[in-house]
Amino acid sequence: DIQMTQSPSSLSASVGDRVTITCRASQDIKTYLGWYQQKPGKSPKRLIYAASSLQGGVPSRFGGGGSGTEFTLTISSLQPEDFATYYCVQHNSYPLTFGGGTKVEIK
Amino acid sequence: EVQLVESGGGLVQPGRSLRLSCAASGFTFDDYAMHWVRQAPGKGLEWVSGISWNGGVIGYADSVKGRFTISRDSAKNSLYMEMDSLRPEDTALYYCAKDAHYAITGHGMDVWGQGTTVTVSS
Repeated sequence: DIQMTQSPSSLSASVGDRVTITCRASQDIKTYLGWYQQKPGKSPKRLIYAASSLQGGVPSRFGGGGSGTEFTLTISSLQPEDFATYYCVQHNSYPLTFGGGTKVEIK
Repeated sequence: EVQLVESGGGLVQPGRSLRLSCAASGFTFDDYAMHWVRQAPGKGLEWVSGISWNGGVIGYADSVKGRFTISRDSAKNSLYMEMDSLRPEDTALYYCAKDAHYAITGHGMDVWGQGTTVTVSS
């Protein structure tokens, strides 16, 4: 099975900050990676697919990058509504596997 | 509007069975793979199972293999998960999710339901 290591597990940031979250795959997954945002009590919402493509309706301050085994999610200017938990998931092969999540909190 | 509505969750004793359902609407159900993903209380997301558009390819997490069975019914636009030999560690919120493609790999889950809660306890 492919292991997804996500870091950091949590971070504190201020509105307007640039935030970067990293996901590392245990083997090459090409660009078969997505990023999701989950707010408390809500279902996950897809932000990024194919490692760097922005899901329709998602603000352009969200960006994804990487390929192979190293991936990043960047929020260029953190907004109050962005405080949430973020997950990466590989869908190169099954079982699909998620990263452990990154909780973004207000500093 | 694409909509996924899960049902069938509840409180069940260890070793018993439960069947989850997911009613899909707003898209051509037969064209897309579907998944179940769960989230234990206070924990992260765990993929449980996926089924391709025609049921020809099915995958399971190791944690449920041999105990859970995924299926779909195109006439009812519904996805199911039969859960047998339930364990306390199966306690979670179970989400139904639509894939962006007909295969269970390659494109990822683009729409999620609100989830149904399963509690396994004596």
